[in-house]
Amino acid sequence: GDSVTQMEGPVTLSEEAFLTINCTYTATGYPSLFWYVQYPGEGLQLLLKATKADDKGSNKGFEATYRKETTSFHLEKGSVQVSDSAVYFCALSAHNTDKLIFGTGTRLQVFP
Amino acid sequence: NAGVTQTPKFRILKIGQSMTLQCTQDMNHNYMYWYRQDPGMGLKLIYYSVGAGITDKGEVPNGYNVSRSTTEDFPLRLELAAPSQTSVYFCASSQGGTPEETQYFGPGTRLLVL
Repeated sequence: GDSVTQMEGPVTLSEEAFLTINCTYTATGYPSLFWYVQYPGEGLQLLLKATKADDKGSNKGFEATYRKETTSFHLEKGSVQVSDSAVYFCALSAHNTDKLIFGTGTRLQVFP
Repeated sequence: NAGVTQTPKFRILKIGQSMTLQCTQDMNHNYMYWYRQDPGMGLKLIYYSVGAGITDKGEVPNGYNVSRSTTEDFPLRLELAAPSQTSVYFCASSQGGTPEETQYFGPGTRLLVL
């Protein structure tokens, strides 16, 4: 079945460091891909998404590119801030369905 | 615009007790979802609804029931609480249920079954 694999956390960085969180997926057809973020004590909120191959989603300085050839959707940010500390979830919704399948989440901790 | 609201925020149940987790959205979304999030795991879909009066099972429906009598409300019922149901529960909604649709999440209900 469809699945999402994320790198395990926690990822610990100093402020202004470069961030990469890896995400790969397995799916039939052409899924839509998402990154959701969960700040402490809150629900998930959409960070960015991409709906077809080679699309790049971006928001708040974060970017991810839909790579069909490597079945990946890695999250990147050039310079992280303390306020980016959160849990990041990669997710997909398979072709012809609205059901989200989530990865296990990656905790990011950014220190001043 | 409150978005998706959930009550209660936190609850402790004894084994065998029952309770209802409430979820309300004010965005006039047709689709609503219940997920559970276990420690160190991603979210798993429990039940979903594509409109008032229509519900269907997700990946982990056992031990739960839902109803959808209005567009706004989608309560989740636990009939006989078990320790395995200790989790954080999230309700979500979306407009059209298409693959590229954004889901909007509530703040969650933390449930502890002892």
